[in-house]
Amino acid sequence: QQPVQSPQAVILREGEDAVINCSSSKALYSVHWYRQKHGEAPVFLMILLKGGEQKGHEKISASFNEKKQQSSLYLTASQLSYSGTYFCGTVNRGSTLGRLYFGRGTQLTVWP
Amino acid sequence: GAVVSQHPSRVICKSGTSVKIECRSLDFQATTMFWYRQFPKQSLMLMATSNEGSKATYEQGVEKDKFLINHASLTLSTLTVTSAHPEDSSFYICSASFWTAGETQYFGPGTRLLVL
Repeated sequence: QQPVQSPQAVILREGEDAVINCSSSKALYSVHWYRQKHGEAPVFLMILLKGGEQKGHEKISASFNEKKQQSSLYLTASQLSYSGTYFCGTVNRGSTLGRLYFGRGTQLTVWP
Repeated sequence: GAVVSQHPSRVICKSGTSVKIECRSLDFQATTMFWYRQFPKQSLMLMATSNEGSKATYEQGVEKDKFLINHASLTLSTLTVTSAHPEDSSFYICSASFWTAGETQYFGPGTRLLVL
């Protein structure tokens, strides 16, 4: 049930781009993206509810391919503040409303 | 908007004692509240889901008698770790959602529990 995230870790220089992928073996109702800083709780970034949907949040955007049961998070022109662990959470079709399965996370480190 | 608080933020207790953690939605009424546990460098593992006024739904492998959840109102849920042991030391995070948020879960700041 747990989605698979890749890569496990990314190291970037400030200004570089990164893509984080999230795939599920189950048909998905929605995909949620969160960022967590060390020792803090996850912070909601965005939710994708429709296949083909793309959303943006400053220089962070995401897409949802419902057919492939995948989502990707795009970070462009990364900033130091983007460092943290990114989690995707998925809600499966037909499951208890709101029940999120989280991936293992992708640790992103941005260097100056 | 959609602010969730947790109290306490950190707690250290002796083995065998019970610890209560509060989770409050400050500016909205939460349809559902969730309790997660996170070990260092690992993902968030859902422990239980609770709706106001009804019994919590526990995930497989989570002991109901050890992790007591009470959801007394639409803005407050509590998790009590009974007879805590060192292996219960972890980061406990609650989240809350409401219908108009489209299932988005808003997380509290977490409670770091250390059992000696």
